[in-house]
Amino acid sequence: LAKTTQPISMDSYEGQEVNITCSHNNIATNDYITWYQQFPSQGPRFIIQGYKTKVTNEVASLFIPADRKSSTLSLPRVSLSDTAVYYCLVGEDNYGQNFVFGPGTRLSVLP
Amino acid sequence: GAVVSQHPSRVICKSGTSVKIECRSLDFQATTMFWYRQFPKQSLMLMATSNEGSKATYEQGVEKDKFLINHASLTLSTLTVTSAHPEDSSFYICSAREGAPEAFFGQGTRLTVV
Repeated sequence: LAKTTQPISMDSYEGQEVNITCSHNNIATNDYITWYQQFPSQGPRFIIQGYKTKVTNEVASLFIPADRKSSTLSLPRVSLSDTAVYYCLVGEDNYGQNFVFGPGTRLSVLP
Repeated sequence: GAVVSQHPSRVICKSGTSVKIECRSLDFQATTMFWYRQFPKQSLMLMATSNEGSKATYEQGVEKDKFLINHASLTLSTLTVTSAHPEDSSFYICSAREGAPEAFFGQGTRLTVV
């Protein structure tokens, strides 16, 4: 399984764009990159997933460079309710995939 | 997205008793389910992975006789904490996937052993 590295914590202000980068230097050819959000005392919530280039949905964008050794989750115009822990996971699209979580990034959005 | 329901959300039990936690996929068939535990301010720790109809695969250091996992159907997996002790107090979370790359998570169960 590809190991991931993320900043432990980040601070931002309301209305700003937040970019969280995840490093996964030993990502394999079949690996996808998935980001989850977790609020205290809740299960993680799926945010976005990608394989290469750029993916965008209604809540975030995911940028993946050509070498796929890193990825950046972009949250446009964050609000206080975006304060949470964000996890980057890397793994294969098959039934044997174990979703192993790294330490995540604790994002604090300040007023 | 798909819905995974976990029950109970909170449970308090006496030391030495057993507790069962249920995880259900409500609108999809979960071929694989995962069980995690999470201590305060820490990340999720994968305990075991189960595929429907087969024995669970436990992560290193997780006692399979203490944490019994049953994945008897494509929509239900259970985790039973046997002979619970205060050190088993934690937040337990299940997740399920149908085959797509992403997994969907339950809301978690706060177990307190007194």
